[in-house]
Parts: sequence; C-alpha cells; structure tokens
Amino acid sequence: EPEVTQTPSHQVTQMGQEVILRCVPISNHLYFYWYRQILGQKVEFLVSFYNNEISEKSEIFDDQFSVERPDGSNFTLKIRSTKLEDSAMYFCASSEIAQGNTGELFFGEGSRLTVL
Amino acid sequence: KQEVTQIPAALSVPEGENLVLNCSFTDSAIYNLQWFRQDPGKGLTSLLLIQSSQREQTSGRLNASLDKSSGRSTLYIAASQPGDSATYLCAVSDSWGKFQFGAGTQVVVTP
Repeated sequence: EPEVTQTPSHQVTQMGQEVILRCVPISNHLYFYWYRQILGQKVEFLVSFYNNEISEKSEIFDDQFSVERPDGSNFTLKIRSTKLEDSAMYFCASSEIAQGNTGELFFGEGSRLTVL
Repeated sequence: KQEVTQIPAALSVPEGENLVLNCSFTDSAIYNLQWFRQDPGKGLTSLLLIQSSQREQTSGRLNASLDKSSGRSTLYIAASQPGDSATYLCAVSDSWGKFQFGAGTQVVVTP
C-alpha cells in the first residue's frame, strides 16, 4: 500500500543549526503538507504546498522555515536557525487533491527533532 | 477561528465494551472530517474520512457520524480489543485541505 515516508526518524541538533527534514509523498498525490506536534500538544498545521508553491501557511511558519520540492518525488522542510522551541515531531502529509475530491490526508511516521 | 474539542480526554474500558468518542467543532463550514489513530511516538493512521455532504462512514468495527449543522462527530468502536488502545484524533478541513486537529482522546482497553 502506498505510504508517505520521512527521513530522518530522529535528529538531534544544536540551537542555531540548520535542519532539513525530508519526505516522499504518495506518488499520485498533488497536495503536500507539513504539520508538527510538540510533546503533549495538538497537531498543528505549518504549511501546504501545491503546484510548486506554498498555498497556505500558519503564523508558526515564519522566515526561519522554508519548503521545497527539489525533484519529482521529494518534499523538504528546512529550518534555517533552530531554536529550542522548534523541538517537536514533524509530520509530512499528502492528499490526492483538496477540492473536488476526497482530500483524505495521509501522514508519514514523523521526524522527531530535538534542539539542544 | 475553527476550534476542535474532543471529549473525553481519556477513557478506560474493559475489553468487549463499545467505545464512544466525541468531537465538536465551532465553525460548521467544513469540507471534510477525518478520524485518525496515533500510537505513542508514531505517526497518524487514517481511520475514516467523512465528506461534508455525508452523515456517516463505516469501516469494520468503526462507525463515524457527522452532524455538520450542530458541529459534532462521534466515532463508535464496537467490541473493543486491547489492540484498540491508542489516542484517537479528530480533524476538520477547509476546502484547501488544511486540517485543524483536536487534542485527542486517549483510550485504554483492558483485557
């Protein structure tokens, strides 16, 4: 069964360092998302991406964050200068389409980011 | 701003009992409602998706209802098993697929 895959599963980094989290969405999906979950808190929307551009972003997604689809399969989240409060589980998700279809969201297993 | 609330926050039942999990949302202008399961330290597994025009969806022992006008959804799990122990999350989406999540209901099914 097709699935969303994420790497790395766990990354530990020093405050101020750059981090890139990688995702391979389901191949025929068109919408891609990043969500995060701080330990013990709700899953929060960060950004959605369609047709090679950001379609929506939350107030959390500030200038320190960026997303990219460098090729036909990968979808990356970059945090330029990590802060302690960026420590969280980051989930990539994809859906076949948002409007005019089911828009069912499929999640990866997550990348746990620990900032020291 | 959409707010999603799940009650109860935690639930413990003996094996074989039916589970009833509640989700409410403040803005009825949703596109989809989706129920997920999350095991500790793991990702989210999609259980059921209900489109806004639908009233319910069923998959095996799971049944989810949606009353959009009152801003409520209920997930029923029949004849619970210890393997059903997990956190269950409800999420609602707008037309662009952005989902807003509830805090979840942590379920423990005791043998």
